[in-house]
Amino acid sequence: AQSVTQPDIHITVSEGASLELRCNYSYGATPYLFWYVQSPGQGLQLLLKYFSGDTLVQGIKGFEAEFKRSQSSFNLRKPSVHWSDAAEYFCAVGWGKLQFGAGTQVVVTP
Amino acid sequence: DVKVTQSSRYLVKRTGEKVFLECVQDMDHENMFWYRQDPGLGLRLIYFSYDVKMKEKGDIPEGYSVSREKKERFSLILESASTNQTSMYLCASKPLDKYQETQYFGPGTRLLVL
Repeated sequence: AQSVTQPDIHITVSEGASLELRCNYSYGATPYLFWYVQSPGQGLQLLLKYFSGDTLVQGIKGFEAEFKRSQSSFNLRKPSVHWSDAAEYFCAVGWGKLQFGAGTQVVVTP
Repeated sequence: DVKVTQSSRYLVKRTGEKVFLECVQDMDHENMFWYRQDPGLGLRLIYFSYDVKMKEKGDIPEGYSVSREKKERFSLILESASTNQTSMYLCASKPLDKYQETQYFGPGTRLLVL
């Protein structure tokens, strides 16, 4: 069965510290991979996506993600978080229709 | 920029009412989607539409129907609202091109059914 797992429901990080959000998937073939962010009360905004090619993908707001085929993972990273990065982050996979993970809530402390 | 708008940000309805949620996109996208978002469950696909008058069930279609009479508009209908349909509803659209898989989301409608 196809599935997307975000193992961390909630992460607290200090402002200026690094952040890594995990995403693992189970799919028949390598799907398209996405990370979206949802600020409070807002819709989802695309951070970055991977279709093919270079496995390290750069996105907006200083985020990057690395696709690892052997681990079926697509983890999101940011070297130094800002208070404005506090939000919920969703990993999504698929083509045509997307399957979303349950989300990771990120809290940024001063 | 792609713009996806939803008719209401917040909606309060009573059990048994018929509820219409409207979504409009301005980029001539063929594909449109309705999701519901619940804490701990992420986004779950209710229905999607490949083109005008075409629709397919998603993962949780029970209790919902949809209508797509015009390309830019995709409506979600709750025939008889129930309290377990209290949720955040998100609409999205994308072009038909298989190399354009990015979905663009509206701001969401938070529905409370009393």
